[in-house]
Formats: sequence, C-alpha cells, structure tokens
Amino acid sequence: DTEVTQTPKHLVMGMTNKKSLKCEQHMGHRAMYWYKQKAKKPPELMFVYSYEKLSINESVPSRFSPECPNSSLLNLHLHALQPEDSALYLCASSHEAGLGSGELFFGEGSRLTVL
Amino acid sequence: AQTVTQSQPEMSVQEAETVTLSCTYDTSESDYYLFWYKQPPSRQMILVIRQEAYKQQNATENRFSVNFQKAAKSFSLKISDSQLGDAAMYFCAYRRSYGQNFVFGPGTRLSVLP
Repeated sequence: DTEVTQTPKHLVMGMTNKKSLKCEQHMGHRAMYWYKQKAKKPPELMFVYSYEKLSINESVPSRFSPECPNSSLLNLHLHALQPEDSALYLCASSHEAGLGSGELFFGEGSRLTVL
Repeated sequence: AQTVTQSQPEMSVQEAETVTLSCTYDTSESDYYLFWYKQPPSRQMILVIRQEAYKQQNATENRFSVNFQKAAKSFSLKISDSQLGDAAMYFCAYRRSYGQNFVFGPGTRLSVLP
C-alpha cells in the first residue's frame, strides 16, 4: 500500500465556517506534511510533523490548525478563512523527516474554495 | 537560503522524441538530494527520479535520466521516447541532508504532441 489518502477531495466553505481536511497513510511513515498549492505554482510548505510532533510551522496564520492524532493520520482544521486561502492543499508523507533520501509521497489533494 | 530555478515555464515535445527540462539550484551545502516530481493535470504528484549529491553517477529510471553537474549546480531531466502520458507539470526539488523542507522550483509545463 503506497497511498496517501486525502478527504474531502473538494470543499467549499464560507469565511465563518469551521471545517477539517484529513490525510491518512499506512506506509509506516513517521513524517507527514501539509503543503498549499496555488494554480500553476509549486507547493508551499505549511507544516511538518515528525514522530507525531510538530517540527516545522512555516509562519502559517492561526486560522490553519494542524493536528496529528497518530502516526497514520494528519488533520488540518480550518476556521475563519479568507478567499485568498482558496487553493489545493496537499498532504505528503516520508519515511522519516530529514533522513535518507526522504522522498515525499503525495496525496491527490483537497481543493478548497473559500467564499 | 536555497533556491531552485526552472528557466523553462513551458516546453513541448513530439511523441516518441526526446526532451530535456532544465533545473539549476543554489546552495552552500555539500550533501543534499535532488528530485524531479511530475504532477499531471488534476492528479497527484509523483516522484520521477532522485539523485544523491554524493553520487557522481547520474540516476536513470527507464525513459527518464538526469544530467547532474554538481559544480555547475545543474540538474536536468531527459525524457526519452516521450509518451502522451508524460504531459504534466514537472517540478525540480532540493532537500539538504537532514533537512525536513523541500525547496521546489517554479515548474515546467510539458506538452506532448501526437
């Protein structure tokens, strides 16, 4: 099983809503990542979890709140978002953050539209 | 800070022909990894090929090969016998050893013409 599964695939929310994006992997990876990708742009790192602990927060606004309940799951809680937050949100995992080649395995992404 | 540059925003290639995508990077590190990722339209990003900086031999994966020039900080991707399924956005990426962050280039959109 080499999949990273993200739900939902599409999400439309108002600026006052609270929603969550979910990510799951069963490859035994110990590092998980959230990236934000705007159209025709490269992914931008938001958060890295290593062994279920937050290791990198790229100065992301507090309206984005990550959570790693266990080594297989990663959530991104969304609250009071702005229209400019509309983007494709990618989850990725790697065997261990920063060790070996550490290639990323990506999910298909959750396309978020904020109205 | 490390940066990755892809000077070709768009490229096109005829089916069955060969195309080379360029990537240059800037780093003061001596030990790092380089990657090419492919992102087809509305599909997930997948790894095409990776290169360890300490290896002089260029990586090869079937029709995909790289030309890694460490001194010039260049890492180009060659796609041989191009297929329609190769059409995608290609991102060059860098990660230093023991680093957790991947630095992505701006991408090159490759079209394959039948």
